[in-house]
Amino acid sequence: DAKTTQPPSMDCAEGRAANLPCNHSTISGNEYVYWYRQIHSQGPQYIIHGLKNNETNEMASLIITEDRKSSTLILPHATLRDTAVYYCIVRVATGNTGKLIFGQGTTLQVKP
Amino acid sequence: KAGVTQTPRYLIKTRGQQVTLSCSPISGHRSVSWYQQTPGQGLQFLFEYFSETQRNKGNFPGRFSGRQFSNSRSEMNVSTLELGDSALYLCASSSPDRNTGELFFGEGSRLTVL
Repeated sequence: DAKTTQPPSMDCAEGRAANLPCNHSTISGNEYVYWYRQIHSQGPQYIIHGLKNNETNEMASLIITEDRKSSTLILPHATLRDTAVYYCIVRVATGNTGKLIFGQGTTLQVKP
Repeated sequence: KAGVTQTPRYLIKTRGQQVTLSCSPISGHRSVSWYQQTPGQGLQFLFEYFSETQRNKGNFPGRFSGRQFSNSRSEMNVSTLELGDSALYLCASSSPDRNTGELFFGEGSRLTVL
């Protein structure tokens, strides 16, 4: 699986958009970009994933650059409950392999 | 629909003992994976079971083992516990039908080794 690079920490004001970047310059053509988050002392929670098109769901939007070497997770209106560690992971989606390679992630602190 | 259930949530053991952790996946999910999370190493993949067969294994010593039953429930065992085994152990399940690669994690079992 390809490696990802994320900033160790970010701050965001409550109610503002949080934009979390991720670099994955060695991503392969069949690898998807996944985002998970982990709120303190809980299990990681799936947020969103995509291959090359931008994706949006009820939690967030995922913007993937045209060359697929980087992506941005956008939380449109951050709340205090969005304070968590956010992990960007690239992997193939087929085969339902349960193996995820987690990096150190980005600790997002949402401030009032 | 019930989520992934892990038991026990907390436990304390002493060095040299062994421990067994249990994971019940979401109904219908046949893949169960285990992860170890420590402050120093972060989240690390231990192993994955699918239809009672181990199909992926991380880089952990043989003291760490697991199994999966016919109802997809899984257990992991750590023998001859060491202080460094103190960690949050997380279980995740996934559905073969959706084929999205999305994993659903439980709340974890926090093991303290004294």
